[in-house]
Amino acid sequence: DAKTTQPNSMESNEEEPVHLPCNHSTISGTDYIHWYRQLPSQGPEYVIHGLTSNVNNRMASLAIAEDRKSSTLILHRATLRDAAVYYCILRDHRDDKIIFGKGTRLHILP
Amino acid sequence: ETGVTQSPTHLIKTRGQQVTLRCSSQSGHNTVSWYQQALGQGPQFIFQYYREEENGRGNFPPRFSGLQFPNYSSELNVNALELDDSALYLCASSLEDNEQFFGPGTRLTVL
Repeated sequence: DAKTTQPNSMESNEEEPVHLPCNHSTISGTDYIHWYRQLPSQGPEYVIHGLTSNVNNRMASLAIAEDRKSSTLILHRATLRDAAVYYCILRDHRDDKIIFGKGTRLHILP
Repeated sequence: ETGVTQSPTHLIKTRGQQVTLRCSSQSGHNTVSWYQQALGQGPQFIFQYYREEENGRGNFPPRFSGLQFPNYSSELNVNALELDDSALYLCASSLEDNEQFFGPGTRLTVL
């Protein structure tokens, strides 16, 4: 399975943008880049996904490098409720399972 | 639209016992996946059911088994419990291979 590398933890101030990096140098052509997050005492929740082009939704933006070997999840204006573990995941469109790593624990400072 | 629900929320068992965990899928979803999450780790894929058939399995021994019912709800059964089975068990439902929606999990403690 292709793997991702993320920092163990990050801090950001409330109401500022947050850029969460992810490296996936062994990505294959059929892998989509997915982001999930897990708030304390909850199951993971889907955030965003993309293949090649940058993506935006109501929760976040996903910036994908041209060579697809890295990506960045962007929270435009962090709130205290965004404190969570963020997982960057490669998911083959033919494969149904999700392979989670350890993710990045994001701390938001008031 | 009802989200994914799991029962019970917490459970304590002793080593060697058997346990059944339950999951109700989100309305309209026909696929259920089960994950085990140890403390401080990301979730690990156990198996997936699609239309009542097992559709993929992770690296878990046969004492982890499952069922999916005609209404697409699901059970995870674990026999001969071991101390290392203590974890948060997560169920996720989806429509085909679209995005998975997770339940809140069942916290299992094995003593």
